[in-house]
Amino acid sequence: GENVEQHPSTLSVQEGDSAVIKCTYSDSASNYFPWYKQELGKGPQLIIDIRSNVGEKKDQRIAVTLNKTAKHFSLHITETQPEDSAVYFCAASLRNTDKLIFGTGTRLQVFP
Amino acid sequence: EPEVTQTPSHQVTQMGQEVILRCVPISNHLYFYWYRQILGQKVEFLVSFYNNEISEKSEIFDDQFSVERPDGSNFTLKIRSTKLEDSAMYFCASSWADTQYFGPGTRLTVL
Repeated sequence: GENVEQHPSTLSVQEGDSAVIKCTYSDSASNYFPWYKQELGKGPQLIIDIRSNVGEKKDQRIAVTLNKTAKHFSLHITETQPEDSAVYFCAASLRNTDKLIFGTGTRLQVFP
Repeated sequence: EPEVTQTPSHQVTQMGQEVILRCVPISNHLYFYWYRQILGQKVEFLVSFYNNEISEKSEIFDDQFSVERPDGSNFTLKIRSTKLEDSAMYFCASSWADTQYFGPGTRLTVL
């Protein structure tokens, strides 16, 4: 079945710096890749997603890139702010299936 | 903005007892899901539900688990005889297509 690996497990950056989180997936039939932010005690909140027919997508300070050949996708956060501190999860979904397969998560800490 | 809601926020139960976790999905969504997250671990898929039947389930979702949409708004997860290892956060999600929106979760503690 599909497997999603995520790195790094923790990431500390200074406010204003950029943060990059990387994920790889195993099944080339995966076609949908969302990113979720999870704050302490809350459910995962969708922040951006990308589909396999697109290589890059941007929403203000957040961008996601997808390399289908290498089977990896990345989350880029620019001009980080302390409120960006949270756990970020990548996920992948196969075509014609319902389930999301999540990565192991990255704890991002942004220091003022 | 519409959101998925879940009740209760925290449920404590004795091993062997039945629990029912409740969810109200976003109103125009057609697909419903349950996931769980053991403390400190990743989110794991349990089951998906569409058109009043299970469309997919994981190996975790054994005979002790069941789901139901008893009316037009609620979606429930029942665990018949809880085990210690069922202790986790349980998240409900709903979607119109492939984008899934998650609720705040129910923390289940089995003693």
